Amino acid sequence: DTAVSQTPKYLVTQMGNDKSIKCEQNLGHDTMYWYKQDSKKFLKIMFSYNNKELIINETVPNRFSPKSPDKAHLNLHINSLELGDSAVYFCASSQVSGTGYTFGSGTRLTVV
Amino acid sequence: DAKTTQPTSMDCAEGRAANLPCNHSTISGNEYVYWYRQIHSQGPQYIIHGLKNNETNEMASLIITEDRKSSTLILPHATLRDTAVYYCIVRAREPQKLVFGQGTRLTINP
Repeated sequence: DTAVSQTPKYLVTQMGNDKSIKCEQNLGHDTMYWYKQDSKKFLKIMFSYNNKELIINETVPNRFSPKSPDKAHLNLHINSLELGDSAVYFCASSQVSGTGYTFGSGTRLTVV
Repeated sequence: DAKTTQPTSMDCAEGRAANLPCNHSTISGNEYVYWYRQIHSQGPQYIIHGLKNNETNEMASLIITEDRKSSTLILPHATLRDTAVYYCIVRAREPQKLVFGQGTRLTINP
């Protein structure tokens, strides 16, 4: 199936731990994104990569570090997790010359 | 990117047309109107977009006023599965950044 897939779907971890979320798209898109949706349901863009190059960084704490090994993958590594990092994280992809974004199904991160 | 104003919530009866309004009075000439929806606990889903002409696809129709200051998303025969939060977003093709507002929570009632 052509899609944007994220793993894991659920992640429960303790404060202070380091964790990663992986994202892969097989749509041939050249741009990938990370969005955060907090408990109030606001969706906020965090990062955007175009062909492995960072193009958007929305003043996210430097504990969050995206890594794009190739244009089909954009992983999110989070250091020293805090309670406020609890949220649903969505990966998305798009084509620069195209139209809509395709979103993954989300990763629900709970920090305890 | 221009800001949009949408009603917080709407209800519609199953089988009827759902008309979701959006105001974007500060839209620029190079900005498109996009609609997305988010069904509970899922990732947002692209519905439709347009610049100034009305658009229709298998999911919905988009009506943009002649002055482009407002638009309406039409779901012609709403079903229970159309219950979701609908986001109206205006943005230029570049930069590639989709900014979500609070959207309209549409509830389809049996």
